[in-house]
Amino acid sequence: QLHLQESGPGLVKPSETLSLTCTVSGGSIRNANYYWGWIRQPPGKGLEWIGNIYYTGNTYYNPSLKSRVTTSVDTSQNQFSLSLSSVTAADMAIYYCAWVSGTGAFDIWGQGTMVTVSS
Amino acid sequence: EIVLTQSPGTLSLSPGERVTLSCRASQSVRSNYLAWYQQKPGQAPRLLIYGASSRASGIPDRFSGSGSGTDFTLTVSRLEPEDFAVYYCQQDGTSPLTFGGGTKVEIK
Repeated sequence: QLHLQESGPGLVKPSETLSLTCTVSGGSIRNANYYWGWIRQPPGKGLEWIGNIYYTGNTYYNPSLKSRVTTSVDTSQNQFSLSLSSVTAADMAIYYCAWVSGTGAFDIWGQGTMVTVSS
Repeated sequence: EIVLTQSPGTLSLSPGERVTLSCRASQSVRSNYLAWYQQKPGQAPRLLIYGASSRASGIPDRFSGSGSGTDFTLTVSRLEPEDFAVYYCQQDGTSPLTFGGGTKVEIK
């Protein structure tokens, strides 16, 4: 059974870069049928797609965040990562990593990690 | 960008009742790539339905999805106590992927 776990700083200063890692267990990140995604949810609000990445490094980003987002895959560690630059209070949210299966939907989610933006 | 509008915002219902949730898209969803998720407080969303009408693995058959084009519904045939939650629709046919604003199903 695939399991995803987010990790990273829970507190980031305004204008700095948010960096999170998602560790995948129970399956290989190199599986050709798998995309890996990032989604966020401000407290008490709805869900926003950030971007998807394939194990080859092909990426697809939300245009609203594209100028500030970078994602990468580390197949040796079975991890993928998210960087979001120039953060503001609007970037405060629970950040989820997820597996996009052949269904096209986000099949399995990590538990999420809350990121606060504050000086 | 495809905007997904969910209605109603909140539903107050009793266990055992049937509920139908609506998700309307601002333009046609390609290949009916429409998914439904359930989210409980403090938890990550859980995939219920993909491809508009296919149940995800392990999802009870009281959950069903239907619709095509711009109008989609999620039906719970008989609400169990554990079904009180927020439900989101999401389209994954056109980038950017987008979510609806959610419908909260609360206990009456």
